[in-house]
Amino acid sequence: GQQLNQSPQSMFIQEGEDVSMNCTSSSIFNTWLWYKQEPGEGPVLLIALYKAGELTSNGRLTAQFGITRKDSFLNISASIPSDVGIYFCAGHSGNTPLVFGKGTRLSVIA
Amino acid sequence: EAQVTQNPRYLITVTGKKLTVTCSQNMNHEYMSWYRQDPGLGLRQIYYSMNVEVTDKGDVPEGYKVSRKEKRNFPLILESPSPNQTSLYFCASSGSLPPSTTLQETQYFGPGTRLLVL
Repeated sequence: GQQLNQSPQSMFIQEGEDVSMNCTSSSIFNTWLWYKQEPGEGPVLLIALYKAGELTSNGRLTAQFGITRKDSFLNISASIPSDVGIYFCAGHSGNTPLVFGKGTRLSVIA
Repeated sequence: EAQVTQNPRYLITVTGKKLTVTCSQNMNHEYMSWYRQDPGLGLRQIYYSMNVEVTDKGDVPEGYKVSRKEKRNFPLILESPSPNQTSLYFCASSGSLPPSTTLQETQYFGPGTRLLVL
């Protein structure tokens, strides 16, 4: 089946630094989603992308749908301690179920 | 408040003892699904349902059953749990964002059910 490679697996950064993570797919997707999961909770949707090349922001978060439709990245600017969590990419094509990346665990050092 | 609820939140059971994890959503969503989350493996879909009485297997359906008799409820059933089903389980439901494409966008997740099978 479809697979998503998400990198990096984990990141330790200083408060105030910018963060970048990405996902690549073995096949073309029509939709890319980015979620954040905090300890003890379910994933929460951050950004949804629907068109190749689309760049969408949500506060300090910016995500882009790659031109090839096989990749997406998420940037977080000026990180703060509450950005800590696991970030997941997810995607699908047509009516296939969502496929999730394995997550990027972000730690922010104050 | 729009939400997905799951019960129980925590469960310890023994091998072979049938159990059900309930899931309910109050958003009138048509699409619901179950995932399991394991360290290093991320989220994997177990079953999903596009509407009442319509269910399909996800990536890891073995050992699980589901039913969708009502739009708001989507219980996960483990007829004979085994230790390899020890995991964190999430129920999710979906509406759609404008512009609307498919029902699978904007999945809202429940808080999770942590299951330990001894």
